[in-house]
Amino acid sequence: AQKVTQAQTEISVVEKEDVTLDCVYETRDTTYYLFWYKQPPSGELVFLIRRNSFDEQNEISGRYSWNFQKSTSSFNFTITASQVVDSAVYFCALSTNTGANSKLTFGKGITLSVRP
Amino acid sequence: NAGVTQTPKFRILKIGQSMTLQCTQDMNHNYMYWYRQDPGMGLKLIYYSVGAGITDKGEVPNGYNVSRSTTEDFPLRLELAAPSQTSVYFCASSWDPNRGFNEQFFGPGTRLTVL
Repeated sequence: AQKVTQAQTEISVVEKEDVTLDCVYETRDTTYYLFWYKQPPSGELVFLIRRNSFDEQNEISGRYSWNFQKSTSSFNFTITASQVVDSAVYFCALSTNTGANSKLTFGKGITLSVRP
Repeated sequence: NAGVTQTPKFRILKIGQSMTLQCTQDMNHNYMYWYRQDPGMGLKLIYYSVGAGITDKGEVPNGYNVSRSTTEDFPLRLELAAPSQTSVYFCASSWDPNRGFNEQFFGPGTRLTVL
């Protein structure tokens, strides 16, 4: 069985602050994929990043960065210099590459509020 | 490309009524999925399909049915609506995960209320 835990439920910051969203996962598979999705107030789900289990390199994309550590089964997401437009619910998700069972398991999401 | 489209966007049903949530994708994806999102609970998989004519249950299939007659369409059927099915429903699609997993593309969602 696989599981994703997002222990933080709600985070509130002031604009320009840095914020880190935590994600801890559980799986017995050695090949797996981790994802982050953003759900803004409009409701759609927006794909942010995918990382496979063999690539532990951290990734930076503009103000976004991701820290993948297999030793602690974590895939944390940091927003630098947050902006009001970053206000959304952020989901971490896990998938194992096991053929027809390659389904996404989502965490419960973290609601991020960025105040001006 | 329109991506993944869903209709309707909103719907109110009475207990016991039935309805079909439509989902269409124009990306020629093999895999399609239906999720429901309840407040504070993330997304849970209802059903998925690995190709036309092939469907399988997800985590929470009870009370729902699906069919996949074409690559493009993956409708979700509620036969006897119950208040517990009040939720936001998302359809998604992806390439074949066996060839190197690709992200799932989501539709805009259908907000369903059962009274």
